[in-house]
Amino acid sequence: AQKVTQAQTEISVVEKEDVTLDCVYETRDTTYYLFWYKQPPSGELVFLIRRNSFDEQNEISGRYSWNFQKSTSSFNFTITASQVVDSAVYFCALKVGNAGNMLTFGGGTRLMVKP
Amino acid sequence: DAGVIQSPRHEVTEMGQEVTLRCKPISGHNSLFWYRQTMMRGLELLIYFNNNVPIDDSGMPEDRFSAKMPNASFSTLKIQPSEPRDSAVYFCASSLALIYTGELFFGEGSRLTVL
Repeated sequence: AQKVTQAQTEISVVEKEDVTLDCVYETRDTTYYLFWYKQPPSGELVFLIRRNSFDEQNEISGRYSWNFQKSTSSFNFTITASQVVDSAVYFCALKVGNAGNMLTFGGGTRLMVKP
Repeated sequence: DAGVIQSPRHEVTEMGQEVTLRCKPISGHNSLFWYRQTMMRGLELLIYFNNNVPIDDSGMPEDRFSAKMPNASFSTLKIQPSEPRDSAVYFCASSLALIYTGELFFGEGSRLTVL
């Protein structure tokens, strides 16, 4: 069975601070995909990034960066110079290779960025 | 382009009543998912359709829940009879099954309150 753990249920930072959201996953499959989704106050979940298990290269997209480490089964998400608009619930998710498009989501981390 | 459209956005009903939630996936997407989000249990996959056929309904809580997808552009999730513990936000998501990207496109959700 697959499992995704986001130990931080809520994080509060002041604007311009850097913040890292942790994600730890469990799976016995060697082929899998990891994702981050953002759920803003409006409610819908928005796809941010996908990583496959064979690509441990870290990725940067603007103020967002992701650190994938298979050795620790982690896929952490860092927001640099946070902004109020980053306030949302962030979900980490896992899909194993033969599971169609079925995602297992973590419990989410609520990020509050204060001005 | 229209995204995933869900209705109603909000539903308040009394225990024992029938509830029907509706979803229109993105045109051309052939996979459809129903998720339920609660504070206690997070995001749970209820059922997954591929080409209008239910592939995995193991997440459906009990017989009171049923889902249908009569055609590629419409799906319903029905709860009969509803109970207070069914109160949650129900999300519909769609994706392209054959060109797997892992990116699910979510609707804005239907917030159900059962009194």
